Amino acid sequence: AQSVSQHNHHVILSEAASLELGCNYSYGGTVNLFWYVQYPGQHLQLLLKYFSGDPLVKGIKGFEAEFIKSKFSFNLRKPSVQWSDTAEYFCAVNERTGTASKLTFGTGTRLQVTL
Amino acid sequence: DTEVTQTPKHLVMGMTNKKSLKCEQHMGHRAMYWYKQKAKKPPELMFVYSYEKLSINESVPSRFSPECPNSSLLNLHLHALQPEDSALYLCASSQHTGNTEAFFGQGTRLTVV
Repeated sequence: AQSVSQHNHHVILSEAASLELGCNYSYGGTVNLFWYVQYPGQHLQLLLKYFSGDPLVKGIKGFEAEFIKSKFSFNLRKPSVQWSDTAEYFCAVNERTGTASKLTFGTGTRLQVTL
Repeated sequence: DTEVTQTPKHLVMGMTNKKSLKCEQHMGHRAMYWYKQKAKKPPELMFVYSYEKLSINESVPSRFSPECPNSSLLNLHLHALQPEDSALYLCASSQHTGNTEAFFGQGTRLTVV
């Protein structure tokens, strides 16, 4: 079964600091990779996705992520965080199983940005 | 319209009650999902429907019964739940079950008393 690891459980940064959140997955086959964000009291929103092609993908709100196949990693980055980036961040992997697919989430990283 | 709409937003039910959660999308998506999210935990997949047919059941107890009446609607029927079933129940949809992203609803906050 697929597993997704997010090693940073709680990250506290000052505004304008740079961000990198780690994500590693276990599946060795073809995967689709995602980062979702959940702002307090809101629904899960897609930040960015990787299906194929350029391993450096850019998402909304200045976020980007790099797929490194040899390291089974898909780390999320942002050069300069804002207070409004305070949220829970989930890495997810979509694994094809027959005619269906399963989205498995990491344990999440709570990002707190201070002024 | 890129929304997945879930009703109700909050639900409190007793252990002997029968209730249903509803989910609706009008994006023409043919895959729909139920996830369960406990506090401070990631969403966990419960069921996947593909073209209105149940394709994945993640060993969910029978007190949870999904139903997909048509391609736009997904229900989750609840009966004889336990307090530990209290959680946020999320519905999602995607264009199909392949290389595509999932759109999530706001969830139903369920409390079982």
